[in-house]
Amino acid sequence: GNSVTQMEGPVTLSEEAFLTINCTYTATGYPSLFWYVQYPGEGLQLLLKATKADDKGSNKGFEATYRKETTSFHLEKGSVQVSDSAVYFCALKISFGNEKLTFGTGTRLTIIP
Amino acid sequence: EAGVTQFPSHSVIEKGQTVTLRCDPISGHDNLYWYRRVMGKEIKFLLHFVKESKQDESGMPNNRFLAERTGGTYSTLKVQPAELEDSGVYFCASSLPGPKGSPLHFGNGTRLTVT
Repeated sequence: GNSVTQMEGPVTLSEEAFLTINCTYTATGYPSLFWYVQYPGEGLQLLLKATKADDKGSNKGFEATYRKETTSFHLEKGSVQVSDSAVYFCALKISFGNEKLTFGTGTRLTIIP
Repeated sequence: EAGVTQFPSHSVIEKGQTVTLRCDPISGHDNLYWYRRVMGKEIKFLLHFVKESKQDESGMPNNRFLAERTGGTYSTLKVQPAELEDSGVYFCASSLPGPKGSPLHFGNGTRLTVT
């Protein structure tokens, strides 16, 4: 079956620190990969995605590269801000036309000034 | 454009009671999904509607859960009778129709607590 394993939190960093949240996956087929973010009091939002090997998704200073050889999609940001405090979910999807996502457990990130 | 709206935002009920969650998708979004996150674990797929039809309900945990989408607009998810393990956050999401899929728009979720 399909599964996503992501770095357990919570993660606490100081402002301007470098961020890495690890994500690895197992999939029957060739998945598309996603990072979703949930800010306090809000719903899930798509942060970035990659649909094929070696693609790099990027948004708001965050990046993640689809690594087929290591089945990974680690999220990185060079300099985090307090406003990045949120819960981050790694996810995958197999089929076209069906947004049935398989999520990881989520990583709570807190950035302190 | 209004986003996906879920109601209520919070619900606290006793074991054995019934609760109905509602989701209003974005207008024109034929696809409607229900997901839930239990006890800080992963977000799990429950089911998928295309208009009023259930396309995939493989994630529904048991027959205490009933989802409907009459008329292909808003959807309800009823839990009857509720059990303690049903506590969690229930998310609804919607997307445009089309064979290649489109980005999911999530609601803010309903936090259900069963005591």
